[in-house]
Amino acid sequence: EPEVTQTPSHQVTQMGQEVILRCVPISNHLYFYWYRQILGQKVEFLVSFYNNEISEKSEIFDDQFSVERPDGSNFTLKIRSTKLEDSAMYFCASHGQSDIYGYTFGSGTRLTVV
Amino acid sequence: GQSLEQPSEVTAVEGAIVQINCTYQTSGFYGLSWYQQHDGGAPTFLSYNALDGLEETGRFSSFLSRSDSYGYLLLQELQMKDSASYFCAVRDQGGSYIPTFGRGTSLIVHP
Repeated sequence: EPEVTQTPSHQVTQMGQEVILRCVPISNHLYFYWYRQILGQKVEFLVSFYNNEISEKSEIFDDQFSVERPDGSNFTLKIRSTKLEDSAMYFCASHGQSDIYGYTFGSGTRLTVV
Repeated sequence: GQSLEQPSEVTAVEGAIVQINCTYQTSGFYGLSWYQQHDGGAPTFLSYNALDGLEETGRFSSFLSRSDSYGYLLLQELQMKDSASYFCAVRDQGGSYIPTFGRGTSLIVHP
């Protein structure tokens, strides 16, 4: 079964450093998302991406964050100058044109900012 | 804005039936989804209801009442592997297809 792949599975970084989280969505999917989940809390929407541009973003997704689809397969989330409160699990998700009712999530990257 | 309420934890025994409720408040409404998450892993899509009534998928069923702003996920013939967190998510009719997730219900299945 096709899956969304995320790397790394765990990233530890020092406060103030930049991190790039990587995702490979399912190949024929068109819509891409980043979500985060702080430990024990709900899954929160960050940003959606379609047709090579951001289609929607939440209040969490401020100037510290950026997304990119540098080639035909990767979808990245960059966090500049990380803060302690950025520590969370970051999930990438995708769906195709007809899958708007169900997202396929990756296994996540656990980001720990120290 | 949107808000969703679901119980924080539900416990049940193997073989039993359990219902996880979700009530929501939205400025509009487009649909209610359910996702399962094991141990902080990838959320997995379970079901979607846009219209009132019951949707059945194997041992899992999902119900929606739009007039009551209420839905539930019904799990039958519980198995130990069903122990997980279950999230309801609402899509607002305000133009966005992006679902807003509830805080999740931790289901603990005992032998």
